[in-house]
Amino acid sequence: GDSVTQMEGPVTLSEEAFLTINCTYTATGYPSLFWYVQYPGEGLQLLLKATKADDKGSNKGFEATYRKETTSFHLEKGSVQVSDSAVYFCALRGNRDDKIIFGKGTRLHILP
Amino acid sequence: DTEVTQTPKHLVMGMTNKKSLKCEQHMGHRAMYWYKQKAKKPPELMFVYSYEKLSINESVPSRFSPECPNSSLLNLHLHALQPEDSALYLCASSHGRAVQETQYFGPGTRLLVL
Repeated sequence: GDSVTQMEGPVTLSEEAFLTINCTYTATGYPSLFWYVQYPGEGLQLLLKATKADDKGSNKGFEATYRKETTSFHLEKGSVQVSDSAVYFCALRGNRDDKIIFGKGTRLHILP
Repeated sequence: DTEVTQTPKHLVMGMTNKKSLKCEQHMGHRAMYWYKQKAKKPPELMFVYSYEKLSINESVPSRFSPECPNSSLLNLHLHALQPEDSALYLCASSHGRAVQETQYFGPGTRLLVL
């Protein structure tokens, strides 16, 4: 079945560092790919998405490119802030049903 | 506006209580979802409603009973819960069920069962 694998962390970085959170997926057909962010004590917020190969999603300085050849959707940000501290979930939505398949989440800590 | 609202924000209940969680969206979305999220885990799908009809039940115990009174509202009725049901319950909605549709999540109800 469909699955998402992401680095679990926690990831600890200093402010203004470069961030990469790796995400790879397994799916049949042409899934849509998402990054969601969950701040402490809150629900999930959509960070960005891409619906077809080579699409780049971007938002709030974060970017991710849908790479079908490597089945990846890595999240990047050039300069992180303390306010980016949260849990980040990579997810896919496949062709078969309504399910979103989530990765296990990556906890990110940014130190001032 | 991509807002999904949920009430209450927090809920404490005993194992013999009956309570309900509420979810509301005014985006005209026709698909609505309930998820359960345990600490440090990703959300797990419980139910899907499409056009106010239950379309997916992920083998959820009958002590959880969903209801969709209209296209904007989704309820989750709780009865005789167990302590292991304590979790964050998230509601989500999407315009439709196509693969490219985004699910928008509410802030969740944090449930504690004593």
